[in-house]
Amino acid sequence: GDSVTQMEGPVTLSEEACLTINCTYTATGYPSLFWYVQYPGEGLQLLLKATKADDKGSNKGFEATYRKETTSFHLEKGSVQVSDSAVYFCALEADVYKLSFGAGTTVTVRA
Amino acid sequence: SAVISQKPSRDICQRGTSLTIQCQVDSQVTMMFWYRQQPGQSLTLIATANQGSEATYESGFVIDKFPISRPNLTFSTLTVSNMSPEDSSIYLCSVYLARGETQYFGPGTRLLVL
Repeated sequence: GDSVTQMEGPVTLSEEACLTINCTYTATGYPSLFWYVQYPGEGLQLLLKATKADDKGSNKGFEATYRKETTSFHLEKGSVQVSDSAVYFCALEADVYKLSFGAGTTVTVRA
Repeated sequence: SAVISQKPSRDICQRGTSLTIQCQVDSQVTMMFWYRQQPGQSLTLIATANQGSEATYESGFVIDKFPISRPNLTFSTLTVSNMSPEDSSIYLCSVYLARGETQYFGPGTRLLVL
């Protein structure tokens, strides 16, 4: 079935460091891919998305490119801030319109 | 976009009791879902709330334990029945607007069962 494999954390970084969270997927067809973020004590928010191969989603300095050849959707940010501390979830939307989530990666950014 | 509210935002309940969680959306939506997020874990889909018919449950979830109502296109409830400490989780509702767009999530209900 459809599934998402996400780099496990926790990840601890210093401010202004580069962040990459790996995400690979297994799916039939051509799923849409998403990154969701959950800040401490808050609900789940969409960070960015891509709906077809080679699409690049971007938001708040984060980017992810839909790579069909490597079935990947890695999340990157060039310079993180303390406010980026959160749990990040990679997800895919399969044909039945349901989201399958990765395990989540906890990111802590230290000043 | 969609604005989703959930009630209650959090609760502490005793073993053996039941809790009903409400989800209200600010616009009519076709598809609504209920998810569970156990402590330190990812989200797991419980069921799809169908308007006018019985909910569609995922493997491992049953109607007797998680009855769901969907009386109209803007509202749904999830009941967690005969609770045990293992039911302590965040329960989230979400709505789906269009394929490839996104699902919007409610703020979640944090449940602690003692």
